[in-house]
Amino acid sequence: DADVTQTPRNRITKTGKRIMLECSQTKGHDRMYWYRQDPGLGLRLIYYSFDVKDINKGEISDGYSVSRQAQAKFSLSLESAIPNQTALYFCATSDPRGSYEQYFGPGTRLTVT
Amino acid sequence: GQQVMQIPQYQHVQEGEDFTTYCNSSTTLSNIQWYKQRPGGHPVFLIQLVKSGEVKKQKRLTFQFGEAKKNSSLHITATQTTDVGTYFCAGRPPGSGGATNKLIFGTGTLLAVQP
Repeated sequence: DADVTQTPRNRITKTGKRIMLECSQTKGHDRMYWYRQDPGLGLRLIYYSFDVKDINKGEISDGYSVSRQAQAKFSLSLESAIPNQTALYFCATSDPRGSYEQYFGPGTRLTVT
Repeated sequence: GQQVMQIPQYQHVQEGEDFTTYCNSSTTLSNIQWYKQRPGGHPVFLIQLVKSGEVKKQKRLTFQFGEAKKNSSLHITATQTTDVGTYFCAGRPPGSGGATNKLIFGTGTLLAVQP
């Protein structure tokens, strides 16, 4: 079984709709991250969380919100989706006691029409 | 804000040729990581470099961290079709250390290998 899972894997939604992307991990890591990937722009950090009570904005947090429901779960919400939020979204985890490498989920491809 | 650029954006090689991607940061980094993303896949960690001038090898892959800790490179010797994918560098700004573990990802280099 995958250590980091994301649901849904693909989603098409309309402008103005609220949408939630979910991430779960079985690695026991405290640190979790949400990134978006756009062609030619690499991976950009949206939000990150170091434990259940800690939430931090990344470089492109506008238009997004997150919830850390438990150590294993970190959700990303788009309150009112817009077309330029069409992208590939990745969740990742890391363990500060290790080498700081980040473990990525399989990604969610989101299309906003 | 801090930026990490990679060149080239795209490289097409014949199988057996060498390949190099370069990563340049606008500021000094405390360390740098490299990830590989296969087509349709997710980024997978390859290696981390910490020391100024550090060189590490993984089979046909050679990673270098610049003396000023502002640039890095990944060189693949004798590419194979299994090397296809996008290679990302990711740098950690100084001062973030273990308390944040934030990474600034480069723009990536897409490698295509023709058999």
